[in-house]
Amino acid sequence: AQTVTQSQPEMSVQEAETVTLSCTYDTSESDYYLFWYKQPPSRQMILVIRQEAYKQQNATENRFSVNFQKAAKSFSLKISDSQLGDAAMYFCAYPGNTGKLIFGQGTTLQVKP
Amino acid sequence: DVKVTQSSRYLVKRTGEKVFLECVQDMDHENMFWYRQDPGLGLRLIYFSYDVKMKEKGDIPEGYSVSREKKERFSLILESASTNQTSMYLCASSLLGPGPGNSPLHFGNGTRLTVT
Repeated sequence: AQTVTQSQPEMSVQEAETVTLSCTYDTSESDYYLFWYKQPPSRQMILVIRQEAYKQQNATENRFSVNFQKAAKSFSLKISDSQLGDAAMYFCAYPGNTGKLIFGQGTTLQVKP
Repeated sequence: DVKVTQSSRYLVKRTGEKVFLECVQDMDHENMFWYRQDPGLGLRLIYFSYDVKMKEKGDIPEGYSVSREKKERFSLILESASTNQTSMYLCASSLLGPGPGNSPLHFGNGTRLTVT
């Protein structure tokens, strides 16, 4: 079965510091996309960043970047210069071979002032 | 801007009641999804639809049904609510189909359902 695993239920970071959230997935596909979603206390999930597996270059969106290791099936999210507004639950997601998004268990990020 | 609207933010129902959760999107998206979110389990797909009147089972369809009579509206139905259906329910839509492979999901704000 295709799975997505986030092994860190909770993380904390000091404001302005950098934090990395881990995600691993299982697939036999060679071409696919990977996503990180953020769910703030308001509950609305929003897309943070996405990575195309056939691209060597890691995706970057402002303070958010990924470390994509295709061979290791690892897709971690790095948040630089953390801000209080980054506090949320973060979900890694992979569209399985049927195209339906499979989500990880989520990581709750706390940002300390 | 993209908008997915879920009709209720909080809902309390009794065991055995028939429950309707409504979701409307204004983006002319083909695909719509219902997820259930539980602590430690992430989001699990209940049902999805890639066209009007079309529906497909997700990973946990038991106890649920759906209806999509119009492109913009996707309803989740709990035929006879049970306490183990107490959860957060998230509706989402995406442009490309049948799967969201390269088309991100747009989510509603969620409905927190409590069944007593």
